[in-house]
Amino acid sequence: GAGVSQTPSNKVTEKGKYVELRCDPISGHTALYWYRQSLGQGPEFLIYFQGTGAADDSGLPNDRFFAVRPEGSVSTLKIQRTERGDSAVYLCASSLGRVTPNEQFFGPGTRLTVL
Amino acid sequence: SQELEQSPQSLIVQEGKNLTINCTSSKTLYGLYWYKQKYGEGLIFLMMLQKGGEEKSHEKITAKLDEKKQQSSLHITASQPSHAGIYLCGADTSGGSNYKLTFGKGTLLTVNP
Repeated sequence: GAGVSQTPSNKVTEKGKYVELRCDPISGHTALYWYRQSLGQGPEFLIYFQGTGAADDSGLPNDRFFAVRPEGSVSTLKIQRTERGDSAVYLCASSLGRVTPNEQFFGPGTRLTVL
Repeated sequence: SQELEQSPQSLIVQEGKNLTINCTSSKTLYGLYWYKQKYGEGLIFLMMLQKGGEEKSHEKITAKLDEKKQQSSLHITASQPSHAGIYLCGADTSGGSNYKLTFGKGTLLTVNP
């Protein structure tokens, strides 16, 4: 596809359940980012991949959150034992890498609701 | 950590009017990005500023970064309903490595026809 795609677009789950959110970056983009956006707030950085490795995961809130990018393309954000406070829009972005300007292209997001 | 303050939080203007949105940082900005977001959609990149005093324009939108690199403004001339949305400023907080962005809370712009 032409842009960053994310699936599902909406996810409703119950507290304590496990969820996976998928991101398909733009072809050829080596850098991939996950952000979380709560209502009325700007996106909050979670993790950054350069290729297959997580170059910076300092934004992950706790060890219930984990992300992978095994082949350097598609990424999955995994959340264990979901809590109501995890409800937010999870945004994925990709870019060519550490270039200037580093224009990050964002996907439409996955809206996660934890009941 | 670096914080970005955006003002105003929301703005309602009549079509054809000019408007300005501000973004202020407590620290020096290595790179300042402006994005636009519509409900249910991802962020759309508008412009990136890096040098003190830099100014960029695209169509009717002009962004500026002050000389001290702590404040940026986004100016829209002759606003149109298509300009409506949430405008977000984001700053490079990866120490100039150019990947980690910290965002402000956004400014909600409504343009009445």
